[in-house]
Amino acid sequence: AQSVTQLDSHVSVSEGTPVLLRCNYSSSYSPSLFWYVQHPNKGLQLLLKYTSAATLVKGINGFEAEFKKSETSFHLTKPSAHMSDAAEYFCVVIGTGNQFYFGTGTSLTVIP
Amino acid sequence: EPEVTQTPSHQVTQMGQEVILRCVPISNHLYFYWYRQILGQKVEFLVSFYNNEISEKSEIFDDQFSVERPDGSNFTLKIRSTKLEDSAMYFCASSDTPGPPNYGYTFGSGTRLTVV
Repeated sequence: AQSVTQLDSHVSVSEGTPVLLRCNYSSSYSPSLFWYVQHPNKGLQLLLKYTSAATLVKGINGFEAEFKKSETSFHLTKPSAHMSDAAEYFCVVIGTGNQFYFGTGTSLTVIP
Repeated sequence: EPEVTQTPSHQVTQMGQEVILRCVPISNHLYFYWYRQILGQKVEFLVSFYNNEISEKSEIFDDQFSVERPDGSNFTLKIRSTKLEDSAMYFCASSDTPGPPNYGYTFGSGTRLTVV
């Protein structure tokens, strides 16, 4: 069975400092992994996806994530946080039948 | 950029009433999905739909729920007799392929359903 665990329910960073949002996955085969962002009262926007190509995946708005099989991790990073990055972030794995399995989400707060 | 459109953005309904949530998927997509997110909880899969029939459904998707593609553009989720616990954000999604790697999976902005 496929699942993801987001290790932090809430992360707070100062503007201009690095962002790290942690995600561990569980999958019986090579997974497809995604990060989505949800701004207040908005839909789910795809940040980036890993589908067994390059292990370092670059996404929109300066975000990137690295797939580490040995650690079963797919952490999301950004070198310098911006106020507009404040949102809810979801790590997602595709399961059987192409269902998306969402993590519980990490709320990112950016302090000016 | 093509979008998945959901209407209405917010719907309030009385318990026991039927409600229909509407979605217009991206025009060349063939695979359609509904998810829901109860406030404070994770996004959960409800159902997938392809070739005018349900492909997969979760335990949440019981007999109170149904989906339909009534014409060439709309994809609807019907809840026959709403319960308080149906209050949630409902997301529609569509994709052009059944799976990775070239996965054009796009979510709509959601319909917030409030059952009172």
